[in-house]
Amino acid sequence: DGGITQSPKYLFRKEGQNVTLSCEQNLNHDAMYWYRQDPGQGLRLIYYSQIVNDFQKGDIAEGYSVSREKKESFPLTVTSAQKNPTAFYLCASSNRDRGRDYGYTFGSGTRLTVV
Amino acid sequence: EDKVVQSPLSLVVHEGDTVTLNCSYEVTNFRSLLWYKQEKKAPTFLFMLTSSGIEKKSGRLSSILDKKELFSILNITATQTGDSAIYLCAVDSGNTGKLIFGQGTTLQVKP
Repeated sequence: DGGITQSPKYLFRKEGQNVTLSCEQNLNHDAMYWYRQDPGQGLRLIYYSQIVNDFQKGDIAEGYSVSREKKESFPLTVTSAQKNPTAFYLCASSNRDRGRDYGYTFGSGTRLTVV
Repeated sequence: EDKVVQSPLSLVVHEGDTVTLNCSYEVTNFRSLLWYKQEKKAPTFLFMLTSSGIEKKSGRLSSILDKKELFSILNITATQTGDSAIYLCAVDSGNTGKLIFGQGTTLQVKP
């Protein structure tokens, strides 16, 4: 079955450490996105990529980095510069088919906790 | 600045009640408005709305868009405990494919 796989589901990080969240899709979608979800704040866009080897900052990119070396993969690194990284992280992908939009497909998320 | 605002932020009802969730938006280049349901982890797609006044229905859920007044509503009739979730409204703005999300409405349906 096609879909998006995020790993790990739960991640604990010590202060000062960088961690990388994995996002893989086999939907052949061109675009991929990373969102952060905090209680009461909905989803906020961190980074997005519309094609391989290209990505753009979202609304809250500070303290995060990404890469898009393959169409299927869009890993997110949470660096030590991110002051409040404890949150739920969602990866999504989308494609546009000749005038028809299908919205996003979401992964199951990674819950990151700083200890 | 583009923004999407949902109301109420939380809601508690009893089974059988009907609920209406609201979503208003201000975006520079509207393409579509989407509703998602998030129970535990991944949001699941409910509706995509692009035209004003055309109601979309799926079982007990329905939604409509008003592009003149810049809002959408999501109705759930005869609510069940399985409807308990966070309901997210998002607007697709421009050519980038970015979705701008509202804060979400947390719905709790009590037996």
